[in-house]
Amino acid sequence: DGGITQSPKYLFRKEGQNVTLSCEQNLNHDAMYWYRQDPGQGLRLIYYSQIVNDFQKGDIAEGYSVSREKKESFPLTVTSAQKNPTAFYLCASTLEGRWTSEAFFGQGTRLTVV
Amino acid sequence: GQQLNQSPQSMFIQEGEDVSMNCTSSSIFNTWLWYKQDPGEGPVLLIALYKAGELTSNGRLTAQFGITRKDSFLNISASIPSDVGIYFCAGQLYYGGSQGNLIFGKGTKLSVKP
Repeated sequence: DGGITQSPKYLFRKEGQNVTLSCEQNLNHDAMYWYRQDPGQGLRLIYYSQIVNDFQKGDIAEGYSVSREKKESFPLTVTSAQKNPTAFYLCASTLEGRWTSEAFFGQGTRLTVV
Repeated sequence: GQQLNQSPQSMFIQEGEDVSMNCTSSSIFNTWLWYKQDPGEGPVLLIALYKAGELTSNGRLTAQFGITRKDSFLNISASIPSDVGIYFCAGQLYYGGSQGNLIFGKGTKLSVKP
């Protein structure tokens, strides 16, 4: 079955450490996105990538980094520079270049800094 | 950045009641999407709207794309306990052969009346 897979589901990190969240899709979608979700805040865009080897900052990119070396993969690194990293992180993808624009989401990764 | 105003923020439902929520924007959108998110999971697409004035149903759910292209509403008829969750609207502007980023509302949380 096609879909988006995020791993791990839960992640704990010590302060000062970098951590990488995985996102893989087999939908053959061109565009991929990372969102951060905090209670009462809705979804806020961190980074997005429309094609391989290219990505753009979203609204809250500070303290995060991404790479897009393969079409199906878009890992997110939460660096030690991110001041408040505890949140629920969602990865999504869309089929770029078509009129239809539904975003499909992964199951999310809950990151907790301890 | 652009913002969507989603209301109400939360509401309690009793089984069998109809539910209504809406989103408004200061910007014009070409696409409106409605998602539902269960606790600890990623959002799942419920309804997609692509044309001003469009009225679309998905089972007990009905959504409309406002004529002004700045608003949308979602109705749930004869609610059942599994309708509880957080409902998000999202708007997207399509321009120049490329999709703009999705802008999300802050969500409407549906809970069961005690």
